[in-house]
This record gives sequence, C-alpha cells and structure tokens, in this order.
Amino acid sequence: GESVGLHLPTLSVQEGDNSIINCAYSNSASDYFIWYKQESGKGPQFIIDIRSNMDKRQGQRVTVLLNKTVKHLSLQIAATQPGDSAVYFCAENPPGAAGNKLTFGGGTRVLVKP
Amino acid sequence: DAEITQSPRHKITETGRQVTLACHQTWNHNNMFWYRQDLGHGLRLIHYSYGVHDTNKGEVSDGYSVSRSNTEDLPLTLESAASSQTSVYFCASSPGSGVGETQYFGPGTRLLVL
Repeated sequence: GESVGLHLPTLSVQEGDNSIINCAYSNSASDYFIWYKQESGKGPQFIIDIRSNMDKRQGQRVTVLLNKTVKHLSLQIAATQPGDSAVYFCAENPPGAAGNKLTFGGGTRVLVKP
Repeated sequence: DAEITQSPRHKITETGRQVTLACHQTWNHNNMFWYRQDLGHGLRLIHYSYGVHDTNKGEVSDGYSVSRSNTEDLPLTLESAASSQTSVYFCASSPGSGVGETQYFGPGTRLLVL
C-alpha cells in the first residue's frame, strides 16, 4: 500500500553542524506534507509543513524541501543544537484523505554530539 | 492557552478489563484522532472523528471504540484489554476547515496490559 518512509533510522550530528533528514513518499498525488519532532516521553510536535505547489519553505532554523519528481522530502536543521536531539518523522496527506488523515513515516532519531 | 490533554498519562491494567483513555482539546477543533505508537510501526491510526456524533475506524481499530458526544472530547475505550494493546496512545486534533491541515498532538498515555 501507500507509505511514507525514511532513509536513515539514526543520524549523529556534531553540535553546530547542519542536519539533513530525508523522507521518501510513495503517493505522487499527496498534496500536503508535515515534519514532526518527538522528544522522549512527549507527543509529536509540529515543526514545519509544505504544500505540493511549493518546492521549499523556511522556518526558524529549519527548511523543508520537496522534490516531487523523485517523491522526496527533506528537513534541514541549521546549526544543530542539543535541544534538537529527538525523533523526527514526516507525514503526508494523501489525496482523498478527507478530514486530514495523515500517513506517518517510521522516524529518524537525531543525536546531537557536544 | 488552548491545548490538548490526555489522561491518565500512565495506566497499568489486567487482561480482560475495560479501559478508557481520555482526550480533551480546547481549540474547538472538529477533527480528532487516536493513534498508537509502537517500536517498528510508527504512528498507526485507531479511530477518528470529524465532528460530534461522527466516528470512523482507522487501520487498527479492532478491540477499540470511541464516542464523540461533544466537540472537546474523544474518549478511547478498550473493551477487553489484551497484552497486544500495550502501547503509547496519542490523541490529536485538527481544525477540520479543509484539506491539508496540521494535526496537533497530546502528550500521550502509556498503557501496560498485564
């Protein structure tokens, strides 16, 4: 069936470096994508979203890139900080998913080394 | 501030018992969702609701039920708890104003079925 997946289960990053987290999606007609951050013992927290009519969207220290040609989504975190250590996962809103049902990927753990 | 809360945060129960997990949001969102999160499976949708008196089954609905008697609450009931239902449960909500909306998550309930 349709799914959202991630390339890397764990990403180790030096503090201050940039992080790139990747996500591949299989439904080419999905029109909305979200990145969530989940810290240990907490619920997923919205980071940034992007619609399919955009290629790039920037937030505070984060950038999401959408490549519809290869069905790839990435999250870039600039100047990674210890507080960025968490599990990150992407979600897509497939077409026909009324009521904003989302399909979630499995997650990538980001470990920030001091 | 508006928020989404879950209770209890931790629950231990025995096989065969009925358990109800509470979810309450103060955003006046139309859409509410229940997920379970297990290692190796990510977030899986159990049930969801688009409004008062509306409920729908998700991908892993067997053994669970929900009811929506008002906008703010979507309690999740495990009719007869099983060890396979040991998991972390998250409630989420979204405005329901159209497609492509972010879902906002509660802090989660950790359930252990012995």
